[in-house]
Amino acid sequence: SAVISQKPSRDICQRGTSLTIQCQVDSQVTMMFWYRQQPGQSLTLIATANQGSEATYESGFVIDKFPISRPNLTFSTLTVSNMSPEDSSIYLCSVRYQETQYFGPGTRLLVL
Amino acid sequence: LAKTTQPISMDSYEGQEVNITCSHNNIATNDYITWYQQFPSQGPRFIIQGYKTKVTNEVASLFIPADRKSSTLSLPRVSLSDTAVYYCLVGALNTNAGKSTFGDGTTLTVKP
Repeated sequence: SAVISQKPSRDICQRGTSLTIQCQVDSQVTMMFWYRQQPGQSLTLIATANQGSEATYESGFVIDKFPISRPNLTFSTLTVSNMSPEDSSIYLCSVRYQETQYFGPGTRLLVL
Repeated sequence: LAKTTQPISMDSYEGQEVNITCSHNNIATNDYITWYQQFPSQGPRFIIQGYKTKVTNEVASLFIPADRKSSTLSLPRVSLSDTAVYYCLVGALNTNAGKSTFGDGTTLTVKP
């Protein structure tokens, strides 16, 4: 399996600021994904971040709001920009490794 | 995209076998079925994955009928620590995660 870590594990931020979430994987993976999970809800895919190409965003998510970097095969960042209370959620990194999708522990974000 | 449907909640008692069914009527030929377990404040944890018939590992079994329009996760002899939300994910393994569909999850409560 792939072991995924995320930083920070949680944060409280002021509206209008930005937060960058880091995702580190213990194995080299081509496909990495970022999800959002609002309280009591299922997971919603934000974007796919494959190394060497621009991130692909799902409907309802835009690069200006959620810029993503993917500098190598084991690391990615997701930035939540110009935050509002509606961005309060859990953000999860996920990877596809050996034909199985694995998830990180998540970053719990509260925007005041 | 294969839309998935799961029961919202299920109750069980310690030591019982629990079966959670996911419906995915328009599953595609290349789609696999993966089940995850999620505890509060944690990321989803991989349980089991299959394409057809039956798959068994050390924690669960996955039953997939010939038409593949549903799948059943079977947890033998559950304990209190199995109380969690269980998600089924249907999608191809070698494509963008945006082609995969998470169910809404089944909240399993195991009672003493």
